Amino acid sequence: DVVMTQTPLSSPVTLGQPASISCRSSQSLVHSDGNTYLSWLQQRPGQPPRLLIYQISNRLSGVPDRFSGSGAGTDFTLKISRVEAEDVGIYYCMQATQFPRTFGQGTRVDIK
Amino acid sequence: QVQLQESGPGLVKPSETLSLTCTVSGDSVSGYHWSWIRQPPGKGLEWIGYIHNSGSTNSNPSLKSRVTMSVDTSNHQFSLRLSSVTAADTAIYYCAGGIWDWYLELWGRGTLVTVSS
Repeated sequence: DVVMTQTPLSSPVTLGQPASISCRSSQSLVHSDGNTYLSWLQQRPGQPPRLLIYQISNRLSGVPDRFSGSGAGTDFTLKISRVEAEDVGIYYCMQATQFPRTFGQGTRVDIK
Repeated sequence: QVQLQESGPGLVKPSETLSLTCTVSGDSVSGYHWSWIRQPPGKGLEWIGYIHNSGSTNSNPSLKSRVTMSVDTSNHQFSLRLSSVTAADTAIYYCAGGIWDWYLELWGRGTLVTVSS
């Protein structure tokens, strides 16, 4: 299985300041079709996960543009340009290049 | 607006079979890939598997042959069965879906299933 490792596991952030989460995969996530199936999901307290970004950097409709994804190969990053109170939660990366799909351990973002 | 709702017993005895259904409202179940993901209390996410009404399916080898998934297009539902459960299967079970199995844009609210005698 592809192991997804996120850092940090916890990220206290001041409102209005940026946050960055790293996700590293144990194998390249470049699929044989040339695409890279790396997604980011947000899970607010008490809620189901929500897909934010797919294929490294594509935001779903309705996702604020303060969220951005980048990276390639085995190293990926989710950035929040200016953290707002509603961004509190746990963020997961997920790879879908190989079966089984696997998730990172999650990174908790909260307000200092 | 497509909505998903999980249903099923909240308590299952060890060695028995966990059965959950996800009801889809707002669109047909056809054309989507439907997934099951679980989350032990206070822990991270684990992918269980997906199914498409075409018959395409895949599940996590860690669950070996205990997983069975199905789609009922006439009742706008898809289902999960997990056999021979143990306490390690206690989790919030989410149904999810999208136009591709990895495009998890739709989520149910989740249902907690506890395995205990």
